[in-house]
Parts: sequence; C-alpha cells; structure tokens
Amino acid sequence: AQTVTQSQPEMSVQEAETVTLSCTYDTSESNYYLFWYKQPPSRQMILVIRQEAYKQQNATENRFSVNFQKAAKSFSLKISDSQLGDTAMYFCAFMVLKTSYDKVIFGPGTSLSVIP
Amino acid sequence: SAVISQKPSRDICQRGTSLTIQCQVDSQVTMMFWYRQQPGQSLTLIATANQGSEATYESGFVIDKFPISRPNLTFSTLTVSNMSPEDSSIYLCSVLATGAIYEQYFGPGTRLTVT
Repeated sequence: AQTVTQSQPEMSVQEAETVTLSCTYDTSESNYYLFWYKQPPSRQMILVIRQEAYKQQNATENRFSVNFQKAAKSFSLKISDSQLGDTAMYFCAFMVLKTSYDKVIFGPGTSLSVIP
Repeated sequence: SAVISQKPSRDICQRGTSLTIQCQVDSQVTMMFWYRQQPGQSLTLIATANQGSEATYESGFVIDKFPISRPNLTFSTLTVSNMSPEDSSIYLCSVLATGAIYEQYFGPGTRLTVT
C-alpha cells in the first residue's frame, strides 16, 4: 500500500527566512506524481507545486521548490523568503498513474506558522 | 483549470437526519472524489465517483451511509445519512484533470456539525 509521511506536525519560521518541510512516501510503483498542497485558514486547498517521478529536475514555482530524491522516496518543500500569507497547513500528496485507479493519497500535514 | 462550488457551505443538523451536499464543476470531468477532513487533520478519501458507473468506496465507508450520485460530468452529490456527532467534519469535493498533466482541484468544502 502507498503511504505518505510528514514527520513535522508543526513548524514555524521568521518572515523572510527559508523553511523546509519534509515528506517521505512508500510505493513499489515507478510512475507517479507528487504534490504539495497548501490549506490556509480559509480551508481552500491550493496546489503549490507538482513533480513527475520520471523527471530528474526538481520542480520550482517562484519561492517554492522541491528536493526530489526518488531512490530515497523523499520529497521536501523549500519555501524561500517566507511571507505571512504562507501560514497554512501543508500537505504532501502522492498519486500513482494507473488509468483504472487514479487517486491521490495525502500525508498527515504540517502546520506552518510564519512569524512577523 | 476547474472551478468547483459546493452547497451548502455549512450546516448544523440533528442526529438521525440526513444531509445532501452538492458539488458543481464548471467543466466536464471524468473523475470526482469526495473527502472528509476532521479539524486539524488530513484528508480522508470517502469514495471516487465516475460518471456512468457506481461509486467506489474506500475502506471504512459504505454506500448506505454515504450514497453518492453522479448524473453527469459536471455534478455530483454526497449524502450523509442517519447522522451522528461523529460525522461532524468538513466534506470536500474534488476533481482530477487528466490532460497533459495531472492536477486535482478542490471545492471550498462543506462544514457539517451534527448535534
């Protein structure tokens, strides 16, 4: 069975600093997607960044970047120049690409607080 | 992209009653999902609802308790039946876009409180 683990239930960072959120996953599949989602207090889930497993290059979206280590099954999120609006729950998620069984599995989440 | 709306946004219901949550998408999608999220917790998948077929339920969720309809490619409903306080949660509708890239979109959620 596929699982996603986030070992940091809560984290905090000073505004303008950099923070890294950890995520590990377990699968025997070779073709999959990894995601980081953000859920602010408004509770709207927002996709932060996406990584295809077949791509060796780490994905980057503005201040957000990932460190994807496929052999280690690790997928960490780095947030640079943290802003107050980054305060949210962050969920690491994983999806195996099978045409008959596409579903996304979510990790337990990390609550990030950006401190002014 | 896909824009998803849910109705109601929140409700307070009495024990033993049922509530139907509606999910409307602004584009046609094949795969829709219903999640439950307890306060401060992660998302738990209830079922996958594909148009034209019966919903597929995850372990711990049954059709009698959470019947789902998927009449077309833009709409779905989830009913929470015979509610108890343990059903108090946020219920999220989601769709999966499977074009050139895979991307999942979420509705704003329905906050249900059972008294």
